[in-house]
Amino acid sequence: GAVVSQHPSWVICKSGTSVKIECRSLDFQATTMFWYRQFPKQSLMLMATSNEGSKATYEQGVEKDKFLINHASLTLSTLTVTSAHPEDSSFYICSASKSGAYEQYFGPGTRLTVT
Amino acid sequence: AQSVTQLGSHVSVSEGALVLLRCNYSSSVPPYLFWYVQYPNQGLQLLLKYTSAATLVKGINGFEAEFKKSETSFHLTKPSAHMSDAAEYFCAVFNQAGTALIFGKGTTLSVSS
Repeated sequence: GAVVSQHPSWVICKSGTSVKIECRSLDFQATTMFWYRQFPKQSLMLMATSNEGSKATYEQGVEKDKFLINHASLTLSTLTVTSAHPEDSSFYICSASKSGAYEQYFGPGTRLTVT
Repeated sequence: AQSVTQLGSHVSVSEGALVLLRCNYSSSVPPYLFWYVQYPNQGLQLLLKYTSAATLVKGINGFEAEFKKSETSFHLTKPSAHMSDAAEYFCAVFNQAGTALIFGKGTTLSVSS
């Protein structure tokens, strides 16, 4: 149990366009979801934390108008990268946790390439 | 503030040799500590976790880690490396609020035959 999926796994978009990444908890209700960004050969950096039905809490330095996070249901969170630029190219990973639990379950990640 | 430091960005071992990946933590509260493994172009898989119970924690794939408060360490070990263990390993600690994970920079483990 505790499976998290992401879609798409790989996306290429042109500079200036927007791209949406979905994160789903397949077999549990995720009251909290997290979005991380990982540059090549580097660690994961937390971008934002979202609780179902609430606005996301963004980490310092993360542009909330550029990285739109929606957590509309207990099984789905979306990250929309608006007006993407090449420097937004990265590996985006989501994770989810159950109500009252600390453990996070990670999705397989989405590779975004902006040309 | 909570933090973790992974000593050695790259560790190379021979197949069958002992694996030792080092992690030191800094925490103002009793820490919850985690080790994750990441294979290329994949998400993270939890290897094991310390949550203030037993100090020697056994995880999946033959890995274990020992919490040593006096040394503020949580090193990951495996007695005998397999080729399939080659991956990126991350040590992590919960932030003070217990709401998010703080990751170390990661250690790349290479296993040679």
